[in-house]
Amino acid sequence: DGGITQSPKYLFRKEGQNVTLSCEQNLNHDAMYWYRQDPGQGLRLIYYSQIVNDFQKGDIAEGYSVSREKKESFPLTVTSAQKNPTAFYLCASSIGTGGRSNEKLFFGSGTQLSVL
Amino acid sequence: GDSVTQMEGPVTLSEEAFLTINCTYTATGYPSLFWYVQYPGEGLQLLLKATKADDKGSNKGFEATYRKETTSFHLEKGSVQVSDSAVYFCALSDRAQGAQKLVFGQGTRLTINP
Repeated sequence: DGGITQSPKYLFRKEGQNVTLSCEQNLNHDAMYWYRQDPGQGLRLIYYSQIVNDFQKGDIAEGYSVSREKKESFPLTVTSAQKNPTAFYLCASSIGTGGRSNEKLFFGSGTQLSVL
Repeated sequence: GDSVTQMEGPVTLSEEAFLTINCTYTATGYPSLFWYVQYPGEGLQLLLKATKADDKGSNKGFEATYRKETTSFHLEKGSVQVSDSAVYFCALSDRAQGAQKLVFGQGTRLTINP
């Protein structure tokens, strides 16, 4: 089945540690996105990528980094500079390059990150 | 900037009740409007969408009409089921910026009791 796979489902980070969240898609989608979800709040865009080897900052990129070396993969690193990393992280993709406003986003099942 | 405001949750209803979840938006351009649904422990799924004024999106018994005059996109269902229990997100994307600038409301948690 085609879809988006996020791993791990639960992740714990120690103080000062960088952690990487995995996102893989086999939908052959061009665009991929990372969102952060906090309780009682909507989703906020961290980073997005429209093509391989290119990505742009979203609204809350500070303390995060990404790479897009392959079309299928868009890993997110939560660095030690992110002081409040506890949240639910969602990866998404869309079929085009995101230039049309009516494009549907396909979401993974998320990773819950907590600080030890 | 663009924003979306949803009615406060949580919302608790009995099975077969009528559902309305209010959503209003602020946008400088001509956005497309969406409702996404998140079931427990899962990511979001597109429920329905509308791309221009007076369009009605519908899916699985849910409906929402794009009202430009009131800048609203309220979600409705005539008879809810226990399986509709989830968190519902209203969202918009501005035509000038595309899907990468999807703006979400805060979400409304819906619980349906048998």
